[in-house]
Amino acid sequence: EVRLVESGGGLIQPGGSLRLSCAASGFTVSGNFMNWVRQAPGQGLEWVSITYTDGATYYSDSVKGRFTISRDNSKNLLSLQMNSLRADDTAVYYCARGPNADAWGQGTTVTVSS
Amino acid sequence: EIVLTQSPATLSLSPGERATLSCRASQIVNNYFAWYQQKPGQAPRLLIYDISNRAPGIPARFSGSGSGTHFTLTISSLEPEDFALYYCLQRNNWPWTFGQGTTVDIK
Repeated sequence: EVRLVESGGGLIQPGGSLRLSCAASGFTVSGNFMNWVRQAPGQGLEWVSITYTDGATYYSDSVKGRFTISRDNSKNLLSLQMNSLRADDTAVYYCARGPNADAWGQGTTVTVSS
Repeated sequence: EIVLTQSPATLSLSPGERATLSCRASQIVNNYFAWYQQKPGQAPRLLIYDISNRAPGIPARFSGSGSGTHFTLTISSLEPEDFALYYCLQRNNWPWTFGQGTTVDIK
């Protein structure tokens, strides 16, 4: 069974850092495009970042230079390092598999507030 | 950035009725187009990918069509579990972008 479980969310002050993790099972992160998508409270979906199987990475303009996506193939883990957090980064963060996002985790909530 | 505009914002229908959701792109997106369903408190679920391919496990009442800049999701006969929020997505150009969503609610 394909499963994705995010963790690492929480309450953080503006300017702080947080590292999100996404543990995958039932497939290998090394063999798939992997994504982070977020949803601000009461808002729609925003694609945050993607990592391709060849190692290429892309970021939305809103997070470029502040967030870094990475994968640990030995642990079958996807991560998102988030630095210089702002109030508008407050959202539920989902990891999703593949170019079509055919499997999603349940999400982890990040709240940026003083 | 490709902007996706979904219409209508809300669709009020009864079970058994046909639902037609529209998504227009500001630029041509080729085949890299998908539809997702989201229910309150849940993660989105992939329904349709590459314009018209149903994801595994998705009932045949869901179908996707369109080309270029205009795409449609059709639910042929609404079941109670289909009342939800629907998003379109383009992955032709980075940044991949979602539409703002269409809510299908019970009339």
